[in-house]
Amino acid sequence: GDSVTQMEGPVTLSEEAFLTINCTYTATGYPSLFWYVQYPGEGLQLLLKATKADDKGSNKGFEATYRKETTSFHLEKGSVQVSDSAVYFCALRVGGSNYQLIWGAGTKLIIKP
Amino acid sequence: DGGITQSPKYLFRKEGQNVTLSCEQNLNHDAMYWYRQDPGQGLRLIYYSQIVNDFQKGDIAEGYSVSREKKESFPLTVTSAQKNPTAFYLCASMRASDNTEKLFFGSGTQLSVL
Repeated sequence: GDSVTQMEGPVTLSEEAFLTINCTYTATGYPSLFWYVQYPGEGLQLLLKATKADDKGSNKGFEATYRKETTSFHLEKGSVQVSDSAVYFCALRVGGSNYQLIWGAGTKLIIKP
Repeated sequence: DGGITQSPKYLFRKEGQNVTLSCEQNLNHDAMYWYRQDPGQGLRLIYYSQIVNDFQKGDIAEGYSVSREKKESFPLTVTSAQKNPTAFYLCASMRASDNTEKLFFGSGTQLSVL
């Protein structure tokens, strides 16, 4: 079945470091791909998305490119800040008339000043 | 400001007790969802509703029940049949015709067993 695999956390970086959080997926058809972020004690917020192969989603300095050949959607940021500390979830949308997401397990990111 | 409100923030359940988690949205969204979040795991879908008076089971509906009598409200009842209810519960909504495919989430309810 459809699934999403994320790198295990926590990922600990120093401020201004380069960030990569890996996400790979298994899906039939052509899913849409998403990154959501969850700050401590809060619900999730959509960070970025891509709907077809080679699309690049971007927001708040974060980027991810939909790579069909490697079935990947890795999240990157050039220079992280302490405020980026959160849990990041990769997800894909299952095709069909009902909107449902398949979620990765989440990757906790800790940025040290 | 529009948004989704979940209450209470923390809830404790005794053995054999049913408890109800509230979810209210003023975004005029058609679709609403309940997810369960366990530590180190992704979100799992409990129930969803795309229109008033209609809802469907998600992947882990056993031990839970919902109602959708109003567009704005989608309460979740955790029944005594749910043997492992301790988790963080998230409610979400989306405009059914929204091409952005963006889910809006509440702040969650942490349910614990006494």
